[in-house]
Amino acid sequence: QSVLTQPPSVSGAPGQRVTISCTGSNSNIGAGYGVHWYQQLPGTAPKLLIYGNNDRPSGVPDRFSGSKSGTSASLAITGLQAEDEADYYCQSYDSSLRSGVFGGGTKVTVL
Amino acid sequence: QVQLVQSGAEVKKPGASVKVSCKASGYTFIDYYMHWVRQAPGQGPEWMGWINPNSGASMYAQKFQGRVTMTRDTSISTAYMELSRLRSDDTAVYYCARDHCINGACYTRFDYWGQGTPVTVSS
Repeated sequence: QSVLTQPPSVSGAPGQRVTISCTGSNSNIGAGYGVHWYQQLPGTAPKLLIYGNNDRPSGVPDRFSGSKSGTSASLAITGLQAEDEADYYCQSYDSSLRSGVFGGGTKVTVL
Repeated sequence: QVQLVQSGAEVKKPGASVKVSCKASGYTFIDYYMHWVRQAPGQGPEWMGWINPNSGASMYAQKFQGRVTMTRDTSISTAYMELSRLRSDDTAVYYCARDHCINGACYTRFDYWGQGTPVTVSS
């Protein structure tokens, strides 16, 4: 059971917008710790996609955006493309556990 | 460019230990915490702990305390993770991941990852 909760899957047609939720608690997201998102293509290591709730590392397209409110965060992908088909994970820090924590992951399928 | 290169795949029997290495290049090794994260087949990533390469201090997830040891060799910019008393549910890909640190403050954010080391535990 992951500390952060994500939907197992979302899907959308090319060009559409999809969002992925990440629900935590008052000891992680709600405590003000940054939420980071990672994209994982099959057989590869996760790659940082969004950091500090809503910032993008250089090279990440602006189709990807993040937001946070209360004990939850979201990742949005606009203008969905075939290459966006991957697993996405949210991650934060938990002060009660004194550890990094991840969501269980969301598989994005491009129809 | 930052690179983290891990050691190769391992197959171990239950009860044995495994030691995975992570060689860093492209940055000052002692300036950034190194974390270890594992991912079981079909599962999400699981944080295991970190090591401060400068001081050697480490912190482990409660689940792994008593079984995991993280060390480093600053002369060759390499971090190590050793997991003992292996069980079948330790079968996973083990990753090292560099933290984002500024002026000594680190943020538990994984900017760079190694390629992963598959560890299979089977009798």
